[in-house]
Amino acid sequence: EAGVVQSPRYKIIEKKQPVAFWCNPISGHNTLYWYLQNLGQGPELLIRYENEEAVDDSQLPKDRFSAERLKGVDSTLKIQPAELGDSAVYLCASSLFRESEELFFGEGSRLTVL
Amino acid sequence: SQQGEEDPQALSIQEGENATMNCSYKTSINNLQWYRQNSGRGLVHLILIRSNEREKHSGRLRVTLDTSKKSSSLLITASRAADTASYFCATARTGANNLFFGTGTRLTVIP
Repeated sequence: EAGVVQSPRYKIIEKKQPVAFWCNPISGHNTLYWYLQNLGQGPELLIRYENEEAVDDSQLPKDRFSAERLKGVDSTLKIQPAELGDSAVYLCASSLFRESEELFFGEGSRLTVL
Repeated sequence: SQQGEEDPQALSIQEGENATMNCSYKTSINNLQWYRQNSGRGLVHLILIRSNEREKHSGRLRVTLDTSKKSSSLLITASRAADTASYFCATARTGANNLFFGTGTRLTVIP
């Protein structure tokens, strides 16, 4: 069974440029999460989807971040424009159940903003 | 914001020794989970303990939960070099459907 797939693994951009990250969750997992992980810290939730509905986006900086999950399967997280402080790892995770049970994480997308 | 605090922040032991990491949290929970993260990789789920459980085992892992003290510990017995990683506790708060991760413990096992 394939795990959570994320791309790209690494991205280097200049500030003010846009960037997008893509995530394909495990087949059958209706719940999808995007987390932000700064160096030396634990993941922090950005947004959670139940199927195609964003049920918790309270921590998503909506002035520059956007996300979508069309058809309730794969998802895209976009930053426009990127700032220096956005340099971090963006992790996607999925789970089988709605309630907070085991999460399956992708390898992450490491963003460097110059 | 992060829910849990792991202690210690970093731990270095010899191969074969036991490693103990602690996690403290602030609110009531439904369950507490431990994850491992190898450098540059995603997180991998290790074990889940529910609020009505006090101890759980999985292979060389032993997790305890004390809800009165709002704390948990992860014990890795007979450590191996391959156990070198960061370990995170994550709490599922009562009434919330999200996991809140702690700051992590960086474990180094010296061969």
